[in-house]
Amino acid sequence: DTGVSQNPRHKITKRGQNVTFRCDPISEHNRLYWYRQTLGQGPEFLTYFQNEAQLEKSRLLSDRFSAERPKGSFSTLEIQRTEQGDSAMYLCASSATGGPYEQYFGPGTRLTVT
Amino acid sequence: AQSVTQLGSHVSVSEGALVLLRCNYSSSVPPYLFWYVQYPNQGLQLLLKYTTGATLVKGINGFEAEFKKSETSFHLTKPSAHMSDAAEYFCAVSDRNNFNKFYFGSGTKLNVKP
Repeated sequence: DTGVSQNPRHKITKRGQNVTFRCDPISEHNRLYWYRQTLGQGPEFLTYFQNEAQLEKSRLLSDRFSAERPKGSFSTLEIQRTEQGDSAMYLCASSATGGPYEQYFGPGTRLTVT
Repeated sequence: AQSVTQLGSHVSVSEGALVLLRCNYSSSVPPYLFWYVQYPNQGLQLLLKYTTGATLVKGINGFEAEFKKSETSFHLTKPSAHMSDAAEYFCAVSDRNNFNKFYFGSGTKLNVKP
């Protein structure tokens, strides 16, 4: 059990550019979650997958955001045409199937849009 | 949607003193309840959780929390603070009929004075 990993840890981009983040969950976990955390706030739910199926998306996930988990293992979160308001920490978590189980979080990717 | 309130964005205690971090939730049906800790530049680490059964739950690092249905609360305590407890603490809840979606409070930063 190596934990949840996320890459990159930091990303600085210019407004209007596209960015993609990767999350590798704990290997035996079927569920994978994305959250966004802004300064001074707790994480906010964005979306979650069970295996490769995206089962729920928050209204926070605008059309510029897309998440995939093509083989039910790692996941990617892409933000198109980034805006300064997208600057945040993007957290990935995973959990076992069944539940209610706790979610195990990765270290996050900090995005800064200039 | 659930609402989680953490009273006190900053709490300061002396080393050896009692730690009390407050968490209240909004739903009339008791949710599943979690406390996470976040150290700088790290992901969230689970301290403890309540899903069913005994309302006083013990977690890691000497922390415990008590679920009080009548008060819709799940306050976190530790009898004696240690310098290493300085971190940010988040209360999270999930609905019993949709436990994959966590709702987080805005966090409480704990400062421990020598």
